[in-house]
Amino acid sequence: GENVEQHPSTLSVQEGDSAVIKCTYSDSASNYFPWYKQELGKGPQLIIDIRSNVGEKKDQRIAVTLNKTAKHFSLHITETQPEDSAVYFCAATSKAAGNKLTFGGGTRVLVKP
Amino acid sequence: DTEVTQTPKHLVMGMTNKKSLKCEQHMGHRAMYWYKQKAKKPPELMFVYSYEKLSINESVPSRFSPECPNSSLLNLHLHALQPEDSALYLCASSQGIYDTQYFGPGTRLTVL
Repeated sequence: GENVEQHPSTLSVQEGDSAVIKCTYSDSASNYFPWYKQELGKGPQLIIDIRSNVGEKKDQRIAVTLNKTAKHFSLHITETQPEDSAVYFCAATSKAAGNKLTFGGGTRVLVKP
Repeated sequence: DTEVTQTPKHLVMGMTNKKSLKCEQHMGHRAMYWYKQKAKKPPELMFVYSYEKLSINESVPSRFSPECPNSSLLNLHLHALQPEDSALYLCASSQGIYDTQYFGPGTRLTVL
């Protein structure tokens, strides 16, 4: 089955700096890669996703890149703000897996004012 | 609107109690999911319903019993739980089983 590894497990950045979280996956059939943000006491919120026919996607301060050959994808947050502090989960899935999401272990991001 | 609602927000129950968790969405989604999340861990899939039929059961103990009364509602019936079942229970929905999943806020369950 699919295995997703996520690094780093914790990330502390100064407000205004950039944050990068990296994930690798094992199943070459995986073709959909969502990123979720989970604030304390809340459910995961989809922040951006990418499909395997696209190499990069941006939404304001958030971008995701995908390297299918190397089987890794990354989340980039620019101009970080204190409200970006949360746990971020990457995930991977494929039609063959019935859209069952395999999550990475999560990254706790702390943005210091 | 991508809102999934869950009730109750918090639940404390004894090991002999019977309780239910509820999930509702009005986005016309035809797939609904139950996940369990322990502290500092990612969500773990429990059940998937597609068009109101159970399509995936991830070998969940029978003390958890899901029910999908209609396309907008998903219940999780709890009976004879153990303290280790204490966790955040998340509901999610998607247009179809191959589409983006949207999560609700969760129910924080404590089993005493």
